[in-house]
Amino acid sequence: SQQGEEDPQALSIQEGENATMNCSYKTSINNLQWYRQNSGRGLVHLILIRSNEREKHSGRLRVTLDTSKKSSSLLITASRAADTASYFCATDFEGAQKLVFGQGTRLTINP
Amino acid sequence: EAQVTQNPRYLITVTGKKLTVTCSQNMNHEYMSWYRQDPGLGLRQIYYSMNVEVTDKGDVPEGYKVSRKEKRNFPLILESPSPNQTSLYFCASSFIGTSGYEQYFGPGTRLTVT
Repeated sequence: SQQGEEDPQALSIQEGENATMNCSYKTSINNLQWYRQNSGRGLVHLILIRSNEREKHSGRLRVTLDTSKKSSSLLITASRAADTASYFCATDFEGAQKLVFGQGTRLTINP
Repeated sequence: EAQVTQNPRYLITVTGKKLTVTCSQNMNHEYMSWYRQDPGLGLRQIYYSMNVEVTDKGDVPEGYKVSRKEKRNFPLILESPSPNQTSLYFCASSFIGTSGYEQYFGPGTRLTVT
């Protein structure tokens, strides 16, 4: 399977702390994206990192990509209660017109 | 407002009764796709469309049909629904394909087939 895997499956932290989620994948990719999903709702795009990039920032989000290890991480700094959601990585591959999603990390921010 | 809309949002139906879930986007996107989300299985692509009259199978197309007669609409058709099609369905669109472009997702349709 080309499916990515997120780690951990669930994460619970206190408000204000940093949250780190990891994603691993199996084959060479063009790009990797991170999405957020609030319970039962549609996914919202957070950030896209290309295979030739190593790090990208957007507000409180920091994404890294290590193509040699086929892994990516999403760091959310200074977490807020509103960050409570599931987070998914999604990869796209040469010649495949689809995104392959991981299982997601369920993040809970405790006030 | 740029958005992807799906209807209905919730649907309970019986085995074998044909149904259609509509999807519409107002961003003039060429690419549209349907996913289903199931616990433990994540999101899996059902069908996708690169443009009008161009559709192709995703990973789990069995039991589904799609059409793309207009750029903005991409309905998902279940000709004879079965209980194993009970799931949360998402429509998504993007500018051109999936490589390098963010996907815009609809709010989801929760389907229950009894």
